Amino acid sequence: LAKTTQPISMDSYEGQEVNITCSHNNIATNDYITWYQQFPSQGPRFIIQGYKTKVTNEVASLFIPADRKSSTLSLPRVSLSDTAVYYCLVGDVGSTDKLIFGTGTRLQVFP
Amino acid sequence: EPEVTQTPSHQVTQMGQEVILRCVPISNHLYFYWYRQILGQKVEFLVSFYNNEISEKSEIFDDQFSVERPDGSNFTLKIRSTKLEDSAMYFCASSAATTGYQETQYFGPGTRLLVL
Repeated sequence: LAKTTQPISMDSYEGQEVNITCSHNNIATNDYITWYQQFPSQGPRFIIQGYKTKVTNEVASLFIPADRKSSTLSLPRVSLSDTAVYYCLVGDVGSTDKLIFGTGTRLQVFP
Repeated sequence: EPEVTQTPSHQVTQMGQEVILRCVPISNHLYFYWYRQILGQKVEFLVSFYNNEISEKSEIFDDQFSVERPDGSNFTLKIRSTKLEDSAMYFCASSAATTGYQETQYFGPGTRLLVL
């Protein structure tokens, strides 16, 4: 599994766009990039997944450059309820293997 | 939307006692997992389970731990003789067996275990 590096914490204000970047220099050809969100005292929750270019869903966008050595999770117009820890994970296509969580990025949104 | 459920939400036990944590995975999922998170620390993998047997286990998952799928819906984690350091939030997760993507794992709300 590719090692990932992301900022320990970020602060933002309501209504702003937040971009959290994750580096994964050793990403393999078969690896997908997946982001999970965890609120305090809750289980992680899948947000978005992508392989290359850009993926968008109702919650977030994921930008992946051509070399795939990094990815950026973009949260548009955050609210207080987006305060959570965000994890970037990298793993094989079709894999049902264990998820390896790092320390994630703790996002604090202020009013 | 289907979800993973876990019971109990909180469990307090004395050191040395046995505890059983229960999970009901999403009904058409085939892969099941237990993770734990000690307060303030990372989410850690314990064990994965498929086709009624353990697929992989971590170093944490020693002889004191066991898992079982006693019927078609429940998935349990048993800790035979709890230790103080077993105090943590325990999460159950499940995933489907479709191909083409790294499988999304759906997590339950967790059971907070406190060993006194």
